Amino acid sequence: DAKTTQPPSMDCAEGRAANLPCNHSTISGNEYVYWYRQIHSQGPQYIIHGLKNNETNEMASLIITEDRKSSTLILPHATLRDTAVYYCIVRAYGNKLVFGAGTILRVKS
Amino acid sequence: NAGVTQTPKFQVLKTGQSMTLQCAQDMNHNSMYWYRQDPGMGLRLIYYSASEGTTDKGEVPNGYNVSRLNKREFSLRLESAAPSQTSVYFCASSARDRGYGGRGELFFGEGSRLTVL
Repeated sequence: DAKTTQPPSMDCAEGRAANLPCNHSTISGNEYVYWYRQIHSQGPQYIIHGLKNNETNEMASLIITEDRKSSTLILPHATLRDTAVYYCIVRAYGNKLVFGAGTILRVKS
Repeated sequence: NAGVTQTPKFQVLKTGQSMTLQCAQDMNHNSMYWYRQDPGMGLRLIYYSASEGTTDKGEVPNGYNVSRLNKREFSLRLESAAPSQTSVYFCASSARDRGYGGRGELFFGEGSRLTVL
């Protein structure tokens, strides 16, 4: 599976949108972009995933560029409870999920 | 509906001792995984089981063995614990990927914190 690059940390003001970038320039045509988050020592939690179209669910939106080499996870109205480590993972169906270092998002009041 | 249950939640071992971490899921998932997470690090895959009766090595399998006892249970065994195995261990399970009727998201347990002295 392709590797991903994320900034090590980001800050966001409470109530504002949090935009978390991810680069995956070597992504293959059958690989999906997954996002998980881990809130302080808990098990990671699935957020969203997509192939090439933008996706939205109750937690977040995923914007994937047309060339699929990068993506952005958007938390539309960040709260203090969204403070967590966010992992961007590229994976083909049937392959195992491999986590990188992720981005530490700090939401501040 | 308990989801993924891990036992024990905490364990302290001495170097050379053995132990088994237990994991059970009640979501009828086919695939199960064991990860470890060292302080300040991301998760690393130890072993996974794509379906009942199969197991495969992940990134860091040395020093561990696994057993997929049945569809519900996937255990991780440390035969001779070492201080380098001090970590938080997470078990996870997933349904089939979208191409097979699911979407492949992983559901994680709460973790087992192991200290090897």
